[in-house]
Amino acid sequence: EIVVTQSPDSLSVSPGERVTLSCRASQNVYSNLAWYQQTPGQAPRLLIYGASTRATGIPARFSGSGSGTEFTLTISNLQSEDFAIYYCQQYNNWPRAWTFGQGTKVDFK
Amino acid sequence: QVHLQESGPGLVKPSETLSLTCNVSGGSISSNYWSWIRQSPGKGLEWIGYIHYSGNTNYNPSLKSRVTISIDTSKNQFSLKLNYVTAADTAVYYCARAFDYSSSFFDYWGQGTLVTVSS
Repeated sequence: EIVVTQSPDSLSVSPGERVTLSCRASQNVYSNLAWYQQTPGQAPRLLIYGASTRATGIPARFSGSGSGTEFTLTISNLQSEDFAIYYCQQYNNWPRAWTFGQGTKVDFK
Repeated sequence: QVHLQESGPGLVKPSETLSLTCNVSGGSISSNYWSWIRQSPGKGLEWIGYIHYSGNTNYNPSLKSRVTISIDTSKNQFSLKLNYVTAADTAVYYCARAFDYSSSFFDYWGQGTLVTVSS
């Protein structure tokens, strides 16, 4: 199984700030990585796939980068609606067993 | 716009079988890959498995011995059965669509349904 580890577990920020979240895979997953946002009581929402492609309707302040085993999600000019938990997910084709990171919670400072 | 909706009992007794159905609307189930994902209270996300309309399945190795996912293309729905449940299976269960075989990120999700395992 490919283990996905996110850091930090949580961080406190103020609106308007820029935040960087990290995701590390235990083996090479190439660009087969997605990011999701989850707010309380809601299903996760796809933000980024292919490590760096924004999903339909996702604002440009969200950007993803990385490949191989190290990935980053950056949120510029943080808005109030961005306070949420963020998960990364690897979907490498071998082994074909998809796994999520444990999540990073972004809350108000 | 594809819409997914989970349905099934919210309470299951230990050692019994958890059964859920996901109804897909706004698109055909005869394409893409269809998955179940769960989230234990206060915890992260765990992929359970997927099914393709052809009937091809793949399961999380940690659950494989207890899981069956099936599909009914005539009803545009797919289902999950999880046998011999324990309290550790208490979770919100989501159904979701994986984009395609090689790009298996989840672009559409159901709202989720809470299943509690308790006597």
